[in-house]
Amino acid sequence: EVLLLGSGGGLGQPGGSLRLSCEVSGFSFSKYGMTWVRQAPGKGLEWVSTISGPTTSTYYADSVRGRFTISRDNSKNTLYLQMNNLRAEDTAVYYCAKDSVSSGLFYFDSWGQGILVTVSS
Amino acid sequence: DIQLTQSPSTLSASVGDRVTITCRASQSISGWLAWYQQKPGKAPKLLMYEASTLQSGVPARFSGGGSGTEFTLTISSLQPDDFATYYCQKYNGYATFGQGTKVEIK
Repeated sequence: EVLLLGSGGGLGQPGGSLRLSCEVSGFSFSKYGMTWVRQAPGKGLEWVSTISGPTTSTYYADSVRGRFTISRDNSKNTLYLQMNNLRAEDTAVYYCAKDSVSSGLFYFDSWGQGILVTVSS
Repeated sequence: DIQLTQSPSTLSASVGDRVTITCRASQSISGWLAWYQQKPGKAPKLLMYEASTLQSGVPARFSGGGSGTEFTLTISSLQPDDFATYYCQKYNGYATFGQGTKVEIK
C-alpha cells in the first residue's frame, strides 16, 4: 500500500520559515517524481513544486520561486519543502503527491493527507 | 501559460442522474489531462488520466473524453458517494488545475 505521511506545518510568521516533510512507503521512492500542491482555504488546487526522481531536477510555480526549496532524501524516503520569506497568501493546506513517472510534471496517483500552514503575525 | 476553465462551477443533481463536467484549455494540450475527485477535508483522488483512461479501482460509471482543448468527465449514474468537487489538471509540463466543479445534492 502506498502511504504518504506529511508533517511540519503550523503557524509561521510573515517573513519567517517553515519546513514541511513527507515520509513515504509502499513504492520505490527514488524512482518517482514528487510534487507539492497547495489549497488555500475555500479555494482550488495550486501546483507548487516538483522534484524528479533520479536526476532531482526541480521546478517551481512563479508564486514561490526564490522563496521555497523542494528536496528529497532517498535514503530516508522523505520529501521536503523549505518555505522561506513566508507571506499571508502562503496560508493553505499543503499536499505531497507522488508523480506517475520518474521525471515528474505528470499526473499524481497518490496523495498525502495534507499539512495545514497558517502564516499570520 | 495554459489556463483550464471548468463548467459548471456548481452542479445540482440527484442520485441516478447522468452528469457531465467540461474542462476547456486555453490552448491544445493533446490528451494530457487528468481528473480528480476531492471530498471535504480529504486529499484529492485520481480518477482518470490521458483524458479517458480510468485509474485502477475507480468505478466504471466514470468516463472521460476529449482531446486538444475540450474535455469531459461523465458520471453515468450518480451515486451518493459521488457528491464531491472535481478538478481537471493538465500535465506533461508545469501542472495547472481547473477551478473545480462542485457536485451537490439537488
